[in-house]
Amino acid sequence: EVQLQESGPGLVKPSQSLSLTCSVTGYSITSNYWGWIRKFPGNKMEWMGYISYSGSTSYNPSLKSRISITRDTSKNQFFLQLNSVTTEDTATYYCARSRGGYNPFDYWGQGVMVTVSS
Amino acid sequence: DIQMTQSPSSMSASLGDRVTITCRASQDIGNYLSWFQQKPGKSPRRMIYGATNLAAGVPSRFSGSRSGSDYSLTISSLESEDMAIYYCLQSIQYPYTFGAGTKLELK
Repeated sequence: EVQLQESGPGLVKPSQSLSLTCSVTGYSITSNYWGWIRKFPGNKMEWMGYISYSGSTSYNPSLKSRISITRDTSKNQFFLQLNSVTTEDTATYYCARSRGGYNPFDYWGQGVMVTVSS
Repeated sequence: DIQMTQSPSSMSASLGDRVTITCRASQDIGNYLSWFQQKPGKSPRRMIYGATNLAAGVPSRFSGSRSGSDYSLTISSLESEDMAIYYCLQSIQYPYTFGAGTKLELK
């Protein structure tokens, strides 16, 4: 069974970087697409970006140059880094698998809540 | 970006009711529309993909339909376990975009 699990600090100071790991079991990240999605307080959902089976990436332009998604295929993990965070980045962060645009986000991690506060 | 206008933002219904939630896309998205259910403290669960395809393990009382640029999620007979927030998602164009969500509560 495909399982995803996010990990990382739950508290980040403003202007610092947010770094999260998504560990995948039961499926290789060298297949399909692996994304990050966040849910803000108030329930708005935002697609942040993905890393593909080949290592190519696509990011939400709203995040401009703050975001980076990388991977370690030897550990079957992929990573989110979001720089220069503000309180508006406070959200629950999810990783998820996508099997293309017609078949998105069939498996999700449990989510990790990240608060940006001094 | 493609805007997904979801309605209603909240609704209350009784057990056994037929419930319909709708999303309208600002551009043509074909059938690249999915529906997700999220319960408090849980991850989103995909219910429908490709506008009309039932995801694995989803009860048959859930269905998806399309009429032009309007997409609907219907629950044919509401059960207590269906109380949740529902989101639509377009996945034809990056950035993928979600609807604002519909909170479904028990009347």
